[in-house]
Amino acid sequence: DQQVKQNSPSLSVQEGRISILNCDYTNSMFDYFLWYKKYPAEGPTFLISISSIKDKNEDGRFTVFLNKSAKHLSLHIVPSQPGDSAVYFCAATGGETSGSRLTFGEGTQLTVNP
Amino acid sequence: GAVVSQHPSWVICKSGTSVKIECRSLDFQATTMFWYRQFPKQSLMLMATSNEGSKATYEQGVEKDKFLINHASLTLSTLTVTSAHPEDSSFYICSAAGDNEKLFFGSGTQLSVL
Repeated sequence: DQQVKQNSPSLSVQEGRISILNCDYTNSMFDYFLWYKKYPAEGPTFLISISSIKDKNEDGRFTVFLNKSAKHLSLHIVPSQPGDSAVYFCAATGGETSGSRLTFGEGTQLTVNP
Repeated sequence: GAVVSQHPSWVICKSGTSVKIECRSLDFQATTMFWYRQFPKQSLMLMATSNEGSKATYEQGVEKDKFLINHASLTLSTLTVTSAHPEDSSFYICSAAGDNEKLFFGSGTQLSVL
């Protein structure tokens, strides 16, 4: 039962353009969502998060949008840079999985081409 | 930022042997640590929640006698894969929760069982 899904295993964009990574969830009890970035041979690092009381959170080049009715969130990176090339994981928590207990998506490999 | 050290980063072992993986929080105390497993092209799956000084809480379907977790101090949790078999070959990663429940991840351990 995959409660958090990232349907695109990979995404390739040109430097300077926008990267949009998508994530869908099924558990309506999730109320807090996070994005992590992972480089090869390293652990995931926290990137940005959003609470279900908001529909948008922005931090520099990174913006996360939440559509609760559609149970969908997306991460926008603009402008994209080659150093953004990494695997991006969407994660969710809340309800029975509250606190630090996260449910992860499968990840999307982002490649930003110079 | 906070650092979580995980060792070893990779290990190859013979079927039937046991493998111990260590997870240390280097600059903060972690009352709670989490152990995940990731198979290729799949999401990070939570295996168990490790609480300092008490028994670990295992997710459904995870054999507690096979995956022994010890959280003897506020900075160290260990995962021992007992009598490892080829199907246990996977990427294992730990995370530690800081004071504000923000998660910090180790760099992961790639286990290959021959």
